[in-house]
Amino acid sequence: AQSVTQLGSHVSVSEGALVLLRCNYSSSVPPYLFWYVQYPNQGLQLLLKYTSAATLVKGINGFEAEFKKSETSFHLTKPSAHMSDAAEYFCAVIFATNKLIFGTGTLLAVQP
Amino acid sequence: GAGVSQSPRYKVAKRGQDVALRCDPISGHVSLFWYQQALGQGPEFLTYFQNEAQLDKSGLPSDRFFAERPEGSVSTLKIQRTQQEDSAVYLCASRRQGGGTDTQYFGPGTRLTVL
Repeated sequence: AQSVTQLGSHVSVSEGALVLLRCNYSSSVPPYLFWYVQYPNQGLQLLLKYTSAATLVKGINGFEAEFKKSETSFHLTKPSAHMSDAAEYFCAVIFATNKLIFGTGTLLAVQP
Repeated sequence: GAGVSQSPRYKVAKRGQDVALRCDPISGHVSLFWYQQALGQGPEFLTYFQNEAQLDKSGLPSDRFFAERPEGSVSTLKIQRTQQEDSAVYLCASRRQGGGTDTQYFGPGTRLTVL
């Protein structure tokens, strides 16, 4: 079955530190991959997406992610965390169907 | 332009009541999706429309759940005889194209609490 796994339901970093949120997928065919962010009481906002072009994808707010087929991974990174980055982050995939399949999310806390 | 809007934002229902949740997609968007997000979980797919046609309803958890999009624009998700396990945030998303990997834009959701 198609699935997405996000390692670490809670991640805490200091302001200015590197942010690394992990996402692994399972698929026998190349997937299309997405990262969404959700602020409290708000809907999901797209950060970036991979659709088989460049493997390093740059998104909004300084985030980027690298698609690694050999590792079936699509980890999200940001060189320097900001207080405003505190939110929940979801990795998602689309395979043959139109529906997004989401991971369980990672709650990012940024400490001053 | 305006994004996806949903109403009501919050709904409290007594067990056994029927509820209707509304989604107004971005104007001109062909595709519309409904997702259910339980507390502490990622969203889970419920159903998908392309214009007025419901092409996939494989995620609807029971026959108490019904969705429609009669004119290919506004959509309503109806839950009959609500149960406590229906408590969740219901998210609507729209997409410009009929297929492919075009971005799905999400609304703020309706938080349903069933007492």
